[in-house]
Amino acid sequence: QKEVEQNSGPLSVPEGAIASLNCTYSDRGSQSFFWYRQYSGKSPELIMFIYSNGDKEDGRFTAQLNKASQYVSLLIRDSQPSDSATYLCAVKHRSSASKIIFGSGTRLSIRP
Amino acid sequence: SAVISQKPSRDICQRGTSLTIQCQVDSQVTMMFWYRQQPGQSLTLIATANQGSEATYESGFVIDKFPISRPNLTFSTLTVSNMSPEDSSIYLCSVTTSGKETQYFGPGTRLLVL
Repeated sequence: QKEVEQNSGPLSVPEGAIASLNCTYSDRGSQSFFWYRQYSGKSPELIMFIYSNGDKEDGRFTAQLNKASQYVSLLIRDSQPSDSATYLCAVKHRSSASKIIFGSGTRLSIRP
Repeated sequence: SAVISQKPSRDICQRGTSLTIQCQVDSQVTMMFWYRQQPGQSLTLIATANQGSEATYESGFVIDKFPISRPNLTFSTLTVSNMSPEDSSIYLCSVTTSGKETQYFGPGTRLLVL
C-alpha cells in the first residue's frame, strides 16, 4: 500500500463547475497535509495546507481533512481553464522531521 | 516565502559523466531537500541536506551516486554521478523556513542523459 494515494485521472470538469480531488494516506500519525499544483514543465506550487479536521477555505479552494477516515480532499469552485494542472497531495508524518511524502498526483482538465 | 534558484536549469549529458546542480536561497532556511521527478511521475525524495554534516538519504539512494553538500544555510549542491539514461529526470531543490512546515520548491533542473 502506498503511503499517499491519489487517483491519477485525468479528471475532466466543465468550466464553472466544482472540481473535487481526493487523497488517502496510510499513516495515522500523519499531522500535516498539503496540496500542491504543478503545471506541465513547472515545479510544484503550494496551494493549501491543513492540520485540523474539517474544512479550510482560501478563495476558490477548500481543503477538507478527515483524520478518522484518513482522507484529505481539495475542492475547486468555479473551475477555470487555468486550473488545469496536476494536483499533488502531500503528507507529513509526526516523526519525520519536516520530510513530506507526495502522492502520485491527479491530472485535472477544465473543459471550456 | 523564500526565493529559490537552481543552476543549471537544464542540461544534456553523456553517459558516465557527472553533473553538479546548485540550489541557492535568498534567505536562511532550516531544511533543504533534494527531490527527483521522473517523466510522468510524482516527486521522490532523494535526501535531506544537513548543514555542516552528511546528508540523510532515503531508501534506494546512496551517497556515492548522489553526493550532497550544504556548506551554509542558503546553499546546497547535488551531484549526479556516473550518469546513465535512467537518471534523466527533473531534480528539484526544496526548503522550509524557520517555524514553518510548508515546503517551497525551486524551478528545477531538467537533465537528459544520452
